[in-house]
Amino acid sequence: TQLLEQSPQFLSIQEGENLTVYCNSSSVFSSLQWYRQEPGEGPVLLVTVVTGGEVKKLKRLTFQFGDARKDSSLHITAAQPGDTGLYLCAGERDSSYKLIFGSGTRLLVRP
Amino acid sequence: DVKVTQSSRYLVKRTGEKVFLECVQDMDHENMFWYRQDPGLGLRLIYFSYDVKMKEKGDIPEGYSVSREKKERFSLILESASTNQTSMYLCASTTSYPELADLSDTQYFGPGTRLTVL
Repeated sequence: TQLLEQSPQFLSIQEGENLTVYCNSSSVFSSLQWYRQEPGEGPVLLVTVVTGGEVKKLKRLTFQFGDARKDSSLHITAAQPGDTGLYLCAGERDSSYKLIFGSGTRLLVRP
Repeated sequence: DVKVTQSSRYLVKRTGEKVFLECVQDMDHENMFWYRQDPGLGLRLIYFSYDVKMKEKGDIPEGYSVSREKKERFSLILESASTNQTSMYLCASTTSYPELADLSDTQYFGPGTRLTVL
């Protein structure tokens, strides 16, 4: 069974700090997606990375796909309270539209 | 805007009851999914459907069944609810032809149904 492990599980930081969330697997994925979920809502896609070594930036968020397409990271610069939420990584299995989700990282950014 | 709606935001049922969770999407997507989300476990796939009347088991299908009679609607059925089925249930949809729909192949999620089985 393919597994995606996310770390850390919880993160509480002060506004303005930087942070990195990791998503690791022993399996290769055809693509990897990052979602953010706010309380009472479904996950919303932030980014999809497809190519090994790919780096994508979304304002203060930087996403990287590992060279071997087994791991990914999300780096947030100068975090703001609006970044608070549950961050989920999800790997696509064999281009089948089916995703395996990590367990999530719950981020709290304190003002 | 893609919209995925779920019939209830909150639901409380008793052990042994039959429970229906409904999901509707308005983007003519071929693929629809049911997940359950539990703390520390992320989202786990229960069932998915890639066409009308087609369904496949996900990772945790036991105790659940599904129905897809129309393209826009995907129903999750708990034949006899049990307390270990208390969870957040999320429905999602995606197109098989993202290039034609000018969309990414993202899965679009509904807001979720928080089910409590007493």
